[in-house]
Amino acid sequence: KNQVEQSPQSLIILEGKNCTLQCNYTVSPFSNLRWYKQDTGRGPVSLTIMTFSENTKSNRRYTATLDADTKQSSLHITASQLSDSASYICVVSDGSNDYKLSFGAGTTVTVRA
Amino acid sequence: NAGVTQTPKFRILKIGQSMTLQCTQDMNHNYMYWYRQDPGMGLKLIYYSVGAGITDKGEVPNGYNVSRSTTEDFPLRLELAAPSQTSVYFCASSYTPESSGNTIYFGEGSWLTVV
Repeated sequence: KNQVEQSPQSLIILEGKNCTLQCNYTVSPFSNLRWYKQDTGRGPVSLTIMTFSENTKSNRRYTATLDADTKQSSLHITASQLSDSASYICVVSDGSNDYKLSFGAGTTVTVRA
Repeated sequence: NAGVTQTPKFRILKIGQSMTLQCTQDMNHNYMYWYRQDPGMGLKLIYYSVGAGITDKGEVPNGYNVSRSTTEDFPLRLELAAPSQTSVYFCASSYTPESSGNTIYFGEGSWLTVV
């Protein structure tokens, strides 16, 4: 069964600090991996999409890495801001079914002043 | 640009009642999806549509029905609401199939409580 596990479940950081979120998956075969940001009470918004050949992808202060060999991805948030407080969701596609994505449960990040 | 619009935002239903969650998108996307999000769980696909007149079941379709009479609209109907359907529902759309690597756009969510 395809699974996506995210860690930690939640974390609290001080404004201006960095943090790294982890995503491990068992989805196979692998097509692409996405990171979404979901603000409280809102829908998910795409941050990055990475395919098999991409190791790193950045979007402003967000940098995602992918190791397809170990089936791990990370999302690094640099110089955190209060607006970074949200849930970050890792989503993996196996490519075999166009309409099947495996969603992680998310990591809740709280940035404090 | 409105994107994906869902209504209502919040709703409380009694067990056995029926209701329809509305979803419309203005991006001319062919592909539309309905997900549910339960606490501590990843999103689960309920139904999807590849174009007007074409729908298919996702991972958790029981208790739901959909229709797609136009490209813009993809309503989700709950028949005989049960407490297990208490959840947050998200409508989404994309230009190409979601696994192709293109961006999926989500609505703001509909919070449904069945009591």
